[in-house]
Amino acid sequence: NAGVTQTPKFQVLKTGQSMTLQCAQDMNHEYMSWYRQDPGMGLRLIHYSVGAGITDQGEVPNGYNVSRSTTEDFPLRLLSAAPSQTSVYFCASIKDRVNTEAFFGQGTRLTVV
Amino acid sequence: DAKTTQPPSMDCAEGRAANLPCNHSTISGNEYVYWYRQIHSQGPQYIIHGLKNNETNEMASLIITEDRKSSTLILPHATLRDTAVYYCIVRGSILTGGGNKLTFGTGTQLKVEL
Repeated sequence: NAGVTQTPKFQVLKTGQSMTLQCAQDMNHEYMSWYRQDPGMGLRLIHYSVGAGITDQGEVPNGYNVSRSTTEDFPLRLLSAAPSQTSVYFCASIKDRVNTEAFFGQGTRLTVV
Repeated sequence: DAKTTQPPSMDCAEGRAANLPCNHSTISGNEYVYWYRQIHSQGPQYIIHGLKNNETNEMASLIITEDRKSSTLILPHATLRDTAVYYCIVRGSILTGGGNKLTFGTGTQLKVEL
């Protein structure tokens, strides 16, 4: 049981480049989320999804797009990377509407130069 | 979701109990208290959660005051591997649209020493 898998683990981008951070979960969880963590700070919510085909914005959505075509996958797209997007990105999933814990991936460390 | 206040850092001797406080004075009736920890910038790990009763699992105990305005996470016998940042989060019910979103503060850096 892999849980929540994020790829890649590390990435360096040049300003203006685009890329997709991948997140997959094999637990059949309904809810998935993306967070970013800047040095010395807690995690901040970027986007979230309550099910396939349904997404919504979190606290810091600007510069990021998401889609949820399947239950398992929730990719995060940076259309035009900026140095301010240098951060560690975490994907999380929650089983369903009953209050249960969130499972987090191991993170993607992104540097934009 | 209600905001939480935690001390920025705490130290604990190995083998002793670590008691991590959290203030959540604006918590509402349907909001749960969750605790997560983050070790060496890995993904956060769930520890425990509760609504109003005290809770215990294999990792920790959670004590919530009767007025629910504060709580304490207790690691009964801290080890070096418990050194981490501990986050106290107040989370609404998914049924009311709040449960999918976790609001992290800066947490408490717990350092367990020999």
